[in-house]
Amino acid sequence: DQQVKQNSPSLSVQEGRISILNCDYTNSMFDYFLWYKKYPAEGPTFLISISSIKDKNEDGRFTVFLNKSAKHLSLHIVPSQPGDSAVYFCAATYTGTASKLTFGTGTRLQVTL
Amino acid sequence: DTEVTQTPKHLVMGMTNKKSLKCEQHMGHRAMYWYKQKAKKPPELMFVYSYEKLSINESVPSRFSPECPNSSLLNLHLHALQPEDSALYLCASSQDNRYSNQPQHFGDGTRLSIL
Repeated sequence: DQQVKQNSPSLSVQEGRISILNCDYTNSMFDYFLWYKKYPAEGPTFLISISSIKDKNEDGRFTVFLNKSAKHLSLHIVPSQPGDSAVYFCAATYTGTASKLTFGTGTRLQVTL
Repeated sequence: DTEVTQTPKHLVMGMTNKKSLKCEQHMGHRAMYWYKQKAKKPPELMFVYSYEKLSINESVPSRFSPECPNSSLLNLHLHALQPEDSALYLCASSQDNRYSNQPQHFGDGTRLSIL
């Protein structure tokens, strides 16, 4: 049972435009959500997170939105840069699981010139 | 630069060998994790250590044996591995895994190939 889903395996965006990456989840126990970026031959890099008590968190060019009623979160990158080209994973966890992360399958973002 | 350091970066071993993967962090984190990642798949949790004690074993075969000698170090001892164990092995740490709102920080992994 895939509790965290990223339905778009890939996304291509022009440099300077907005990139929107989506993630859906099914487990209503999740109370903390994270986005990671992964380049080839490197480990995942933590980007931004959001607690379930919030609906938006912003850090520079990255904003994460959480819609609990829809069990949906999204990552907005504005403006997109070529260096943002990577695989993006969303992940979720909840208190009492020893921070066990459940990952989505990832979305490959390609930012073109 | 990652603050979680994993060695070696690459490892090739035969099915009868014994080897160890090492992970080190100096962020004062008290939770450490081992993940396995196959190509084009998300990371899969293997083990969690909290305050140097094993708190989660995700039904990992006994040919993988974790060890946490102190709060900064995490080892994964490998013995009699199978070709399907070839993967990227990732170590991560977080401040305290008793609470969910603390991100895990990953190392760059060890790329393991079993001949």
